Amino acid sequence: QVQLQESGPGLVKPSETLSLTCTVSGGSISNYYWSWIRQPPGKGLEWIGNIYYTGSTNYNPSLKSRVTISVDTSKNQFSLKVTSVTAADTAVYYCARRSNAYANDYWGQGTLVTVSS
Amino acid sequence: DIQMTQSPSSLSASVGDRVTISCRASQSISTYVNWYQQKPGKAPKLLIYVASTLQSGVPSRFSGSGSGTDFTLTISSLQPEDFATYYCQQSYGSLYTFGQGTKLEIK
Repeated sequence: QVQLQESGPGLVKPSETLSLTCTVSGGSISNYYWSWIRQPPGKGLEWIGNIYYTGSTNYNPSLKSRVTISVDTSKNQFSLKVTSVTAADTAVYYCARRSNAYANDYWGQGTLVTVSS
Repeated sequence: DIQMTQSPSSLSASVGDRVTISCRASQSISTYVNWYQQKPGKAPKLLIYVASTLQSGVPSRFSGSGSGTDFTLTISSLQPEDFATYYCQQSYGSLYTFGQGTKLEIK
């Protein structure tokens, strides 16, 4: 059974960089796309981007200038960086696997990141 | 960008009711639509992929249909555990988007 776990700071100061890592267990990171999705408190889901295990990426155009997703196949992990954060980046951040049928079939439990001084 | 418009945004229904949630894409996306269920404090759960394929382990009272721009999620007979928020997602091309969600509440 594939499991995903997000990790990283729960509090980030405005203008700084948000960094999260997703560790995949129970399966290989190879041969799949992997996603980051976020959800502001009380609001809907926002797709941030995908990365293939080879490192190829696609980003939400509204976030593209501030977002970097990377992968480390040796550690079975992929990561998210969001630069120049503001209060609007406060959200629960989820990592997920994108199946070969183009859907997110396995999700992490999510981690709340609050942007505040 | 492809926009996904869900309706209604909220819905009150009773146990045993048949419920339909709609999602409309801003352009044709073939059958690249997925449906998720989310309960408070939990990660979304995949219900339906490529418009009509039931994810393994999901009860058969859930079904999906549609192609092109108009898609539907149907719950044939609501159970108490189905009260949650539902999201559609388009996965056409390389940029994905979610609908704004439909909150299904107990009448």
